[in-house]
Amino acid sequence: DIQMTQSPSSVSASVGDRVTITCRASQDISTWLAWYQQKPGKAPKLLISATSSLQSGVPSRFSGSGSGTDFTLTISSLQPEDFATYYCQQANSFPQFTFGPGTKVDIK
Amino acid sequence: EVQLVESGGGLVQPGGSLRLSCAASGFTFSMYWMSWVRQAPGKGLEWVANIKQDGSEKFYVDSVKGRLTISRDNAKDLLYLQMNSLRAEDTAVYYCARVPYYMDVWGKGTTVIVSS
Repeated sequence: DIQMTQSPSSVSASVGDRVTITCRASQDISTWLAWYQQKPGKAPKLLISATSSLQSGVPSRFSGSGSGTDFTLTISSLQPEDFATYYCQQANSFPQFTFGPGTKVDIK
Repeated sequence: EVQLVESGGGLVQPGGSLRLSCAASGFTFSMYWMSWVRQAPGKGLEWVANIKQDGSEKFYVDSVKGRLTISRDNAKDLLYLQMNSLRAEDTAVYYCARVPYYMDVWGKGTTVIVSS
């Protein structure tokens, strides 16, 4: 089974900061990786698919990169609505999935 | 509008059963793989099960194999999760999601509490 890890588990940041979240897979997943944003009490929202493809309507301050086992989600200039928990998810073993444990972005 | 609406959650005793439903609208349900994902209180997301477009293939996370069963009715645009032999650790919000490789549409979730 493919295991996913994320770092950091939480980050405190200010509006306007650049925030980078890392996701690592236990084996090569090529670029079969997605990022989701979840706000408290809400369903997750797909932000990025296939490592770097921004979903329609997602602001361009979000970007994704990586391949193989190491991936990054970057928020170039943090906005108030970006405070949330972010999850990576591998789809290399589709139709079996694994999520990372999540990274909480909160206000500094 | 593309929409998924879960129902059927509630309080159930350990060892009990529950059937969750997910009603799809706004898209051609029969063209998509579908998923159930859960989130225990204060915890992260856990993929639970996937089902192929025609229901011929089903996949589960190890912790639910033999107890939870995913199914679908394409004529009614409905996805199901039959939950048997429930345990306290099954307590969670259960989401259904549409899966064109990634989970691009999610419902708002239904809460299952397993407790005596």
